[in-house]
Amino acid sequence: GAVVSQHPSWVICKSGTSVKIECRSLDFQATTMFWYRQFPKQSLMLMATSNEGSKATYEQGVEKDKFLINHASLTLSTLTVTSAHPEDSSFYICSARDSGVSSYEQYFGPGTRLTVT
Amino acid sequence: GQNIDQPTEMTATEGAIVQINCTYQTSGFNGLFWYQQHAGEAPTFLSYNVLDGLEEKGRFSSFLSRSKGYSYLLLKELQMKDSASYLCAGREDSNYQLIWGAGTKLIIKP
Repeated sequence: GAVVSQHPSWVICKSGTSVKIECRSLDFQATTMFWYRQFPKQSLMLMATSNEGSKATYEQGVEKDKFLINHASLTLSTLTVTSAHPEDSSFYICSARDSGVSSYEQYFGPGTRLTVT
Repeated sequence: GQNIDQPTEMTATEGAIVQINCTYQTSGFNGLFWYQQHAGEAPTFLSYNVLDGLEEKGRFSSFLSRSKGYSYLLLKELQMKDSASYLCAGREDSNYQLIWGAGTKLIIKP
């Protein structure tokens, strides 16, 4: 149990285009999901906390108009990178917390590797 | 402030034991996580400590001292597949966000 999927697993796009990444909790409900970005040889950087049915909470320095987050259901959150630039190339990882249990463990998706050319 | 410190890199020998330390300073505290991350992959959960003491889970054990703001991950009978980054993360009170350390890259040599 507690499986989180991400789609796509990797994507290459041209500079100026937008890319949407999906994060799904497959066998549990998640009112809270987290979006992270990780550059090579660096640790996870929390970008935003996604809350079902409400606006996401963005970390300082993360542009909310560039990284659009939609958490429209209890099992799906999406991150859209708008007008992507090469510096947005990174490994994007989502995680979800099972709303039905008292555990605070975060279950991670497999990540999406974005390359902007 | 909020801060999680752990060594950048450690090297150990196959079959040996290694201890990865983590110190934390958070405005509140409600538990500490250890995750394993292989290169190019997402982190996987190893352990969660909220009370003082040692929790053993197979070859891996995790220790917490709340009064000292200190935790360690102990890996026994090291295998080559244990080569990975080990991330320490603290949970603050009243929210589900985790404060992440930079990770410790563990290199296992034959």
